[in-house]
Amino acid sequence: GENVEQHPSTLSVQEGDSAVIKCTYSDSASNYFPWYKQELGKGPQLIIDIRSNVGEKKDQRIAVTLNKTAKHFSLHITETQPEDSAVYFCATALGTSYDKVIFGPGTSLSVIP
Amino acid sequence: GAVVSQHPSRVICKSGTSVKIECRSLDFQATTMFWYRQFPKQSLMLMATSNEGSKATYEQGVEKDKFLINHASLTLSTLTVTSAHPEDSSFYICSCITAGGSDRQYFGPGTRLTVL
Repeated sequence: GENVEQHPSTLSVQEGDSAVIKCTYSDSASNYFPWYKQELGKGPQLIIDIRSNVGEKKDQRIAVTLNKTAKHFSLHITETQPEDSAVYFCATALGTSYDKVIFGPGTSLSVIP
Repeated sequence: GAVVSQHPSRVICKSGTSVKIECRSLDFQATTMFWYRQFPKQSLMLMATSNEGSKATYEQGVEKDKFLINHASLTLSTLTVTSAHPEDSSFYICSCITAGGSDRQYFGPGTRLTVL
């Protein structure tokens, strides 16, 4: 089955700096790669996703890159703000309808004011 | 759009009792719903996939007789933890996929279950 690894497990950055979180996966059939932000005591919130026919996607301060050959993808947050502090999860799925999502172990991001 | 609600948000119960958690898609129809469990400082672990009008598909190691799932309509799925024990204490989260086919999942706010 799919195995998703995520690094680092914890990350502290100064406000205004960039944060990068990296994930690797094992199943070459995976085609959908979402990223979720989870605040304490809340459910995960989809912040950006990318599909295998695209190498990079950007949405304001957030960008995701995908290297399907190497089976890794990364989340980039620029100009970090204290409200970006949360746990971030990468995930993979086959990308077909109704498919289950496999989560990485998560990265706890702290943005220091 | 794509709002998912869960009820209750918190529940505390005695060991041996059963607890029902509801998951609703508020502004869309969800053919498929998923149930996850999350222990403190850990990732989300998929428990089961629930399709409207059919039996749920459980992940390996999840007891189907203990975690009863009913997906009776396109907007409601319920998870019943039967004969709950302290080790069942966890954060239970549902997610929904919109009807019509999509790979995007929208998550509920979660239910914190504490079994005394």
